[in-house]
Amino acid sequence: AQSVTQPDIHITVSEGASLELRCNYSYGATPYLFWYVQSPGQGLQLLLKYFSGDTLVQGIKGFEAEFKRSQSSFNLRKPSVHWSDAAEYFCAVGANFGNEKLTFGTGTRLTIIP
Amino acid sequence: ETGVTQSPTHLIKTRGQQVTLRCSSQSGHNTVSWYQQALGQGPQFIFQYYREEENGRGNFPPRFSGLQFPNYSSELNVNALELDDSALYLCASSTFQGPSSYEQYFGPGTRLTVT
Repeated sequence: AQSVTQPDIHITVSEGASLELRCNYSYGATPYLFWYVQSPGQGLQLLLKYFSGDTLVQGIKGFEAEFKRSQSSFNLRKPSVHWSDAAEYFCAVGANFGNEKLTFGTGTRLTIIP
Repeated sequence: ETGVTQSPTHLIKTRGQQVTLRCSSQSGHNTVSWYQQALGQGPQFIFQYYREEENGRGNFPPRFSGLQFPNYSSELNVNALELDDSALYLCASSTFQGPSSYEQYFGPGTRLTVT
């Protein structure tokens, strides 16, 4: 079975500063990887996805993520955060077979300070 | 393009009661998945429906059941509600085949409170 670890429960960043949210996964085969964002009381919005190919993927809202197989990581980055980026961020891995579902990490809450 | 919609937005039930939550999938999608998100946690997979049949189930008891209709909309039913069932219930839609089947689009959720 696959699993996802987001080591940082809460991160605080100044507006305009760069951001990196960590995600590590455990899965025996080639993973499908996703980052979602959730604003308070809302559903999840897909930021970006990795299926195969180029290990640096671009998403919406200026986010990018890099897949590193050797480190089993899929970290999310943004060069300059905006106050509107304050939200909960979830990393997820999709299985290659069997029950087709996503397994989510526990999330990282991002706070932006002026 | 119509996104995923869910109803109701909020619901308060008493322990032991039954509840039905509803979901309409995004246009062009034929698969619906349901997730439970407890406060401060990531979403947990409940089950998935394709062609009106359950296609995969997470670690949830049988009192969690579902339906999918010919128009791909879906219901989640929970019987004999327990306090621990209090959570945000998320519906997600996708296609069924290939890598895109893992690319799921979520609705805004239904907040269920069990007292």
